[in-house]
Amino acid sequence: DSGVTQTPKHLITATGQRVTLRCSPRSGDLSVYWYQQSLDQGLQFLIQYYNGEERAKGNILERFSAQQFPDLHSELNLSSLELGDSALYFCASSVFPGVANEQFFGPGTRLTVL
Amino acid sequence: ELKVEQNPLFLSMQEGKNYTIYCNYSTTSDRLYWYRQDPGKSLESLFVLLSNGAVKQEGRLMASLDTKARLSTLHITAAVHDLSATYFCAVEEYGGSQGNLIFGKGTKLSVKP
Repeated sequence: DSGVTQTPKHLITATGQRVTLRCSPRSGDLSVYWYQQSLDQGLQFLIQYYNGEERAKGNILERFSAQQFPDLHSELNLSSLELGDSALYFCASSVFPGVANEQFFGPGTRLTVL
Repeated sequence: ELKVEQNPLFLSMQEGKNYTIYCNYSTTSDRLYWYRQDPGKSLESLFVLLSNGAVKQEGRLMASLDTKARLSTLHITAAVHDLSATYFCAVEEYGGSQGNLIFGKGTKLSVKP
């Protein structure tokens, strides 16, 4: 158990809908990262938050947004969903900045868009 | 732009054999991480390599880092079935993106009796 929690574990929804994925980082970690894992694209970095502020963006679509709250939990919002958004979404956390940026991953949310 | 390449992408091994997975990256970094992922599961941190020449070992797995060659290796000794999984290397970016990890595509390892 990495100490990172994610809810829900599974989500099934229809095209055009909007969903929210939630993540709680390990105790003491200020940085939260979101990744998308699909068979064809591999593991793609989406966005990073550090202590409530957006720090870096990766391959995140405009239909997707995220935020980190004062208690450090984070939410990833996916809207106008398309079939291609079906994937495993991981949240990770780390102590960054620090000597190393070892990221600890949550169990993931499997999103299926029908 | 930092690119990370792993090879092979698929590896079928017999139990008891040795093999090496390679991770090459395109720009300067001296921080590299190896992760393991079982099917349908999350990523588990295996090794953290933070300098040139770093070597870490855990059981039948040994990871090393050569920052000058921009190469890390994950060596498997006397493979056993329990090592079957997908292994990812991830390289930490420098500069403004420091802290971000760029992952390779992963090496799917299957160890057969």
